[in-house]
Amino acid sequence: KAGVTQTPRYLIKTRGQQVTLSCSPISGHRSVSWYQQTPGQGLQFLFEYFSETQRNKGNFPGRFSGRQFSNSRSEMNVSTLELGDSALYLCASSLEGAPGANVLTFGAGSRLTVL
Amino acid sequence: GENVEQHPSTLSVQEGDSAVIKCTYSDSASNYFPWYKQELGKGPQLIIDIRSNVGEKKDQRIAVTLNKTAKHFSLHITETQPEDSAVYFCAASKNDYKLSFGAGTTVTVRA
Repeated sequence: KAGVTQTPRYLIKTRGQQVTLSCSPISGHRSVSWYQQTPGQGLQFLFEYFSETQRNKGNFPGRFSGRQFSNSRSEMNVSTLELGDSALYLCASSLEGAPGANVLTFGAGSRLTVL
Repeated sequence: GENVEQHPSTLSVQEGDSAVIKCTYSDSASNYFPWYKQELGKGPQLIIDIRSNVGEKKDQRIAVTLNKTAKHFSLHITETQPEDSAVYFCAASKNDYKLSFGAGTTVTVRA
């Protein structure tokens, strides 16, 4: 069974550009969450999608957005990139079972460097 | 929001010894406490989790304990092996998706 697949694995952008990251969840998983990992701030929750709807949102500016497609694949977008956006962006998927029974499985991440 | 503190930030143990990592959380409504292991170049991998209706859970050499009154939980690794070397994260959550993570503990197992 394939795990969570994130593309691209590495990318370099310059300040002011925008970037789109993609996440394919484990087959059958319908919830997709995104996290940002930096040395300074650690792992921080960005947002979570289920059935193409954002259900939960973290404390990030509006430059960070996401969406989910009908096949559960998800994308996140960061516009007007800043140096501080350099990070490992992690996607996690979960089987939407009963509350209290769901477990996040993470992908390997997309490492973004902003110059 | 939820605040999770994790100690120590680094831990060096002799192979075969035990390792203990401790976390505290602030929100008494949190009811889900997973532990993740992250190796270099990989995403976090769930190694064990505990829900608030359970005080202790064990899986082979790994165990987690939860004290809801004191709002702290701990990871115990016994008979450590070189492959246990990694960064370990604790997390807390009121639902299954929005996890608040600790800052991480870098564990080094000396051969």
